[in-house]
Amino acid sequence: LAKTTQPISMDSYEGQEVNITCSHNNIATNDYITWYQQFPSQGPRFIIQGYKTKVTNEVASLFIPADRKSSTLSLPRVSLSDTAVYYCLVGPNTNAGKSTFGDGTTLTVKP
Amino acid sequence: SAVISQKPSRDICQRGTSLTIQCQVDSQVTMMFWYRQQPGQSLTLIATANQGSEATYESGFVIDKFPISRPNLTFSTLTVSNMSPEDSSIYLCSVSDRGNQPQHFGDGTRLSIL
Repeated sequence: LAKTTQPISMDSYEGQEVNITCSHNNIATNDYITWYQQFPSQGPRFIIQGYKTKVTNEVASLFIPADRKSSTLSLPRVSLSDTAVYYCLVGPNTNAGKSTFGDGTTLTVKP
Repeated sequence: SAVISQKPSRDICQRGTSLTIQCQVDSQVTMMFWYRQQPGQSLTLIATANQGSEATYESGFVIDKFPISRPNLTFSTLTVSNMSPEDSSIYLCSVSDRGNQPQHFGDGTRLSIL
């Protein structure tokens, strides 16, 4: 199972762009990269998933370099409500149970 | 995406007792998972609940302590047996269609053992 490393915490201010990087040096050929967001007293919520290059949806972008040994979640113009823990998972897309949750990054958005 | 309901949302239990947590999904799903999340920490997979067969447990978790049932494609239960204070944690159910990411999570059961 690919191990992931993320910063433990990050601070930002409202309206700024936030980039959270995840390292996954031993990612396998058939592994996908998935990001989740978790608020207190709630289960994790899916944000975005990618395999290579760049993926964008209505809430975030995911940048994956050619070697796929890292990935960066980009949150545009964060607000106070984006304060949460963000998890990067790496694993095969054929068995969700084979992806391990890392320690996550606690993002605090300040006014 | 699937809507997952967990019951109870929280409970306080006595040492040595057992509690069964229910997970109900609003649609049929291929895979269901049970996780544990200790306060302030990340999620740890307990087991994969298999429909019609025994659950598949991760290292460090055993069936006698965490028996799991999955009678159909929309429902599963996790029992925490012979509880001790170390079992105080949040237990989360997740589901996955065809086993792929993303998973969809319930909001968890917050369990405290006195």
